[in-house]
Amino acid sequence: EVQLVESGGGLVKPGGSLRLSCATSGFAFGIYSMTWARQAPGKGLEWVATIVSSGTSINYADSVKGRFTVSRDNARNSLYLQMDSLTAEDTAVYYCARRIAGTQLWTMDLWGQGTMVTVS
Amino acid sequence: EIVMTQSPATLSVSPGESATLSCRASQSVSSKLAWYQQKPGQAPRLLIYGTSTRATGIPARFSGSGSGSEFTLTISSLQSEDFAVYYCQQHYNWPLTFGGGTKVDIK
Repeated sequence: EVQLVESGGGLVKPGGSLRLSCATSGFAFGIYSMTWARQAPGKGLEWVATIVSSGTSINYADSVKGRFTVSRDNARNSLYLQMDSLTAEDTAVYYCARRIAGTQLWTMDLWGQGTMVTVS
Repeated sequence: EIVMTQSPATLSVSPGESATLSCRASQSVSSKLAWYQQKPGQAPRLLIYGTSTRATGIPARFSGSGSGSEFTLTISSLQSEDFAVYYCQQHYNWPLTFGGGTKVDIK
């Protein structure tokens, strides 16, 4: 079964750090670009960052640049999001998502169920 | 940053009727526009990409149109499972940006 499973969310104090993981299965993780997106409670979707399949190129939203770091381990089929200097505005459900295959389009065709991060 | 604006914020529709959702970009995104559906407590689900291409497994009652900065998602003959929030997303350049969403609820 093709799936993405996020973990690592929880309650953290302002200024603290958290590391999220996204474990994948059922597809060739190493050839896909991957994205982190988030959704604050009752709000819309916000793109956070995208990392290409090789890990050599990463794009970040301005709101997280310099504080969040995306990485991946293709041998472990896993994606990570290191979040530092957290503020209340980072409180959200964090999703990992897979870039759609067979196109050159930066849209996401498979999403995990998300992990909640609360900064308080 | 390209700002995506969706309208209306809420659309009340009776089952079996059609719904038309709008998405406007602050500048041209060519045809690089996607639509997602999200139900409460669930992850987003890709419906349409490249303005009009349905994602795998998406029923034909979902259709997308438009170009440049004006786009439309049409849902014909709404089924009970279609009541949800719909987001547009431009995939033309960085940062990727989403619209604020349109909630389709039962009239």
